[in-house]
Amino acid sequence: RKEVEQDPGPFNVPEGATVAFNCTYSNSASQSFFWYRQDCRKEPKLLMSVYSSGNEDGRFTAQLNRASQYISLLIRDSKLSDSATYLCVVKYMGKSTFGDGTTLTVKP
Amino acid sequence: EAGVAQSPRYKIIEKRQSVAFWCNPISGHATLYWYQQILGQGPKLLIQFQNNGVVDDSQLPKDRFSAERLKGVDSTLKIQPAKLEDSAVYLCASSLEANEKLFFGSGTQLSVL
Repeated sequence: RKEVEQDPGPFNVPEGATVAFNCTYSNSASQSFFWYRQDCRKEPKLLMSVYSSGNEDGRFTAQLNRASQYISLLIRDSKLSDSATYLCVVKYMGKSTFGDGTTLTVKP
Repeated sequence: EAGVAQSPRYKIIEKRQSVAFWCNPISGHATLYWYQQILGQGPKLLIQFQNNGVVDDSQLPKDRFSAERLKGVDSTLKIQPAKLEDSAVYLCASSLEANEKLFFGSGTQLSVL
């Protein structure tokens, strides 16, 4: 079993749709969590950190469920520019483990 | 604020040749990482430095890969000899401290023919 698992998708949604991604992790002692966005042939860029209480940044909402060991990312009112691969990152003792990413395509 | 600098951007070599990549992290960032990203997969950690010491190199193929960060600032990653399966994007990242968020350079796309 991989340490961090994501549904690879692809998720194909129309503009304006709401879409949610989940990411599960195996180490219950994991300490911090992040979502990164990676555009085609570009480097990953931090989208948002994930806090225990949940957090929101504009159209993006991230949540952490420690009991079930998963994090989620919700995107509301999808834009064409949201098309990318979304990588889940889990940190333990300073070591970052990446999921393989979920690919989102937003269509007109 | 200047980002993480990497070079070269692209490299094409033949198998059994050697290659080196260079990375200059964000100023003041103590932790530096080298990742390998194969198409369709997430980045896989090769080596992590804290200042000029190695924190984790458990996934570095030490028979052919080496890395150094001599003065705790910039770093080089070397592959010698290269194999076909080394074709990937090599990403350098840095963070203020080990548990902080990572900032990535633009990566080096390596093709081994």
